[in-house]
Amino acid sequence: GAVVSQHPSWVICKSGTSVKIECRSLDFQATTMFWYRQFPKQSLMLMATSNEGSKATYEQGVEKDKFLINHASLTLSTLTVTSAHPEDSSFYICSASRDEQFFGPGTRLTVL
Amino acid sequence: GENVEQHPSTLSVQEGDSAVIKCTYSDSASNYFPWYKQELGKGPQLIIDIRSNVGEKKDQRIAVTLNKTAKHFSLHITETQPEDSAVYFCAASIHTGTASKLTFGTGTRLQVTL
Repeated sequence: GAVVSQHPSWVICKSGTSVKIECRSLDFQATTMFWYRQFPKQSLMLMATSNEGSKATYEQGVEKDKFLINHASLTLSTLTVTSAHPEDSSFYICSASRDEQFFGPGTRLTVL
Repeated sequence: GENVEQHPSTLSVQEGDSAVIKCTYSDSASNYFPWYKQELGKGPQLIIDIRSNVGEKKDQRIAVTLNKTAKHFSLHITETQPEDSAVYFCAASIHTGTASKLTFGTGTRLQVTL
């Protein structure tokens, strides 16, 4: 049990476009999901905490208007990178919490 | 806030040898310490965790020790195998029974050579 999926697994987009990443907990309900960003050969950096039915809580330095998070149900959270730029290229990972955190497989975003 | 340091950054061992990765944390209120294994291009997978009311926990070839006084915890992998090669992250959090934020260490790249 405790499977978390992400879609898409990778995406390439042009600068200035928006990209939506989905995170789903497949076999359990998660009132809280987390979104991380990971640059090559670096650790995971928490971007925001997503709570079902309420606004996300963003970490210091993360632009809430650029990284839109929606947690519409107990099994789905979405991260939308708006007006993406090359510096937003990264590996985005979500986790769903059920006492402990279970991580998704990640989404590699490349902005040209 | 919490700060987690992890050493070494890279570790190369021969197959069959043991590997030890060490982490220190700064917030004495932290009470949950998971370890994750991340393979290239994948998300982290929980391999073992320990809570502050326990000093040691073992699961087959993997063990974790915790020293609350010194605020450090370690991952021990015995009889290493090539498939153990990956990046390992330690983390710390104040676990309250509901969702809690994890602070990750900087990672250790483990290479198990034949």
